[in-house]
Amino acid sequence: DSGVTQTPKHLITATGQRVTLRCSPRSGDLSVYWYQQSLDQGLQFLIQYYNGEERAKGNILERFSAQQFPDLHSELNLSSLELGDSALYFCASSVRPQETQYFGPGTRLLVL
Amino acid sequence: GESVGLHLPTLSVQEGDNSIINCAYSNSASDYFIWYKQESGKGPQFIIDIRSNMDKRQGQRVTVLLNKTVKHLSLQIAATQPGDSAVYFCAESSWGKLTFGQGTILTVHP
Repeated sequence: DSGVTQTPKHLITATGQRVTLRCSPRSGDLSVYWYQQSLDQGLQFLIQYYNGEERAKGNILERFSAQQFPDLHSELNLSSLELGDSALYFCASSVRPQETQYFGPGTRLLVL
Repeated sequence: GESVGLHLPTLSVQEGDNSIINCAYSNSASDYFIWYKQESGKGPQFIIDIRSNMDKRQGQRVTVLLNKTVKHLSLQIAATQPGDSAVYFCAESSWGKLTFGQGTILTVHP
């Protein structure tokens, strides 16, 4: 158990819908990261937050957004969902950027 | 763009053998590298890391070697056990953004 928690574990929804994935970092970690893992793209970095502020963006679609709240938990919002958005979404956390990232168990999203 | 790639997609070994998983990276400016293990249905699990000012780092049964001259990273697992069966990813860290390799499937036969 890494200490990073993610909810929900599984999510099934329809195209065009919007979902919110939640992540609670390890106690003491200020940085939160989101990754997408799909069969054809592998593990891809989406976005990074540090102490509530966005620090880096990867290949995150405009339909996706995220935020980190004052209590340091983070949410990833996925809207106008498409079939291709079906994937595993992982959250990771670290004390600071460039420190070891510990991953949560992931949310498996299935868009039908 | 920068990429991290693995030479071998699958590796099968016998229990008790030593395993070596290789990784090539392309960004010579990278200064931090990490190995993760991912079991089916779980998130990536940190194994060991190394910074670019080192060429070797040892953990419990694992060793990471870094060759900056040829931009190559390897993970050695001693006395491989069936519980080591998983997908292994190398990753390059650039200011917190991890770029992962495609992964190597390690299968350990009893």
